[in-house]
Amino acid sequence: DGGITQSPKYLFRKEGQNVTLSCEQNLNHDAMYWYRQDPGQGLRLIYYSQIVNDFQKGDIAEGYSVSREKKESFPLTVTSAQKNPTAFYLCASSPRGESNYGYTFGSGTRLTVV
Amino acid sequence: DQQVKQNSPSLSVQEGRISILNCDYTNSMFDYFLWYKKYPAEGPTFLISISSIKDKNEDGRFTVFLNKSAKHLSLHIVPSQPGDSAVYFCAAHTGGFKTIFGAGTRLFVKA
Repeated sequence: DGGITQSPKYLFRKEGQNVTLSCEQNLNHDAMYWYRQDPGQGLRLIYYSQIVNDFQKGDIAEGYSVSREKKESFPLTVTSAQKNPTAFYLCASSPRGESNYGYTFGSGTRLTVV
Repeated sequence: DQQVKQNSPSLSVQEGRISILNCDYTNSMFDYFLWYKKYPAEGPTFLISISSIKDKNEDGRFTVFLNKSAKHLSLHIVPSQPGDSAVYFCAAHTGGFKTIFGAGTRLFVKA
C-alpha cells in the first residue's frame, strides 16, 4: 500500500540535543512538507520541498533543518536552537504543488523535551 | 495573524442530523479551499476541496459552500454518523506551495 511513514511515533529529547524525524513516502509525489501542530492551533508550515535537492522555508523554520536527497525521503532535524520543540510533527506529500489535490499526511511524531 | 479561522472549537450533533462546520478567511487571494478530517494519533486525511471560482462542491454526504463576499466557507455533513466524530481542519491554498490551516473544530456525533 502506498503512503507516508513517519518514525518514530514518540520521541523524547534532552535539552541541547539535536534529533531527526524520519519521513518516507512511496507515492511518487514530487512535493513534501513538514508541519507542526500545537494545542489549539492549526498546522504551521516548517519547510517544504518541491523537488529533490531543493527546499524552502515555511513560516516557522527557525531552529529546524531539512534535506531532500531522495524523492522518497524528507527528514526533519530539530536543533537545539529551537526554543520550544515539544509538539506534534506531521509530514505530508502531494503529487505537485498545486492546490486542489490535497495532501497525504503521515501519522505524525510526537516530540517531547525532557 | 490568523488568515484562516475556525471559531468553534467543538460541535455536538445527533446522529442522522446535519453537521455544519464553519470557517472564515481574510486573504482574498486564496485560490483553493480544503477540508481535512483527523482522528486522534493519526495524520489528517483530505476530505473535499473547492475552487475559489465555485460556490459549491458536493461529494456524497459532504458538501462545501463558499461565500466569497463574506470570506466564509462551510462544510455540511448530511446525515451525520458516529464515525464522523473527528477534528475537522479548514485549509486555504495560496500561491507558492503554501497551504494555511485553521485551528480545527472537534465534531462529536452522538448515537
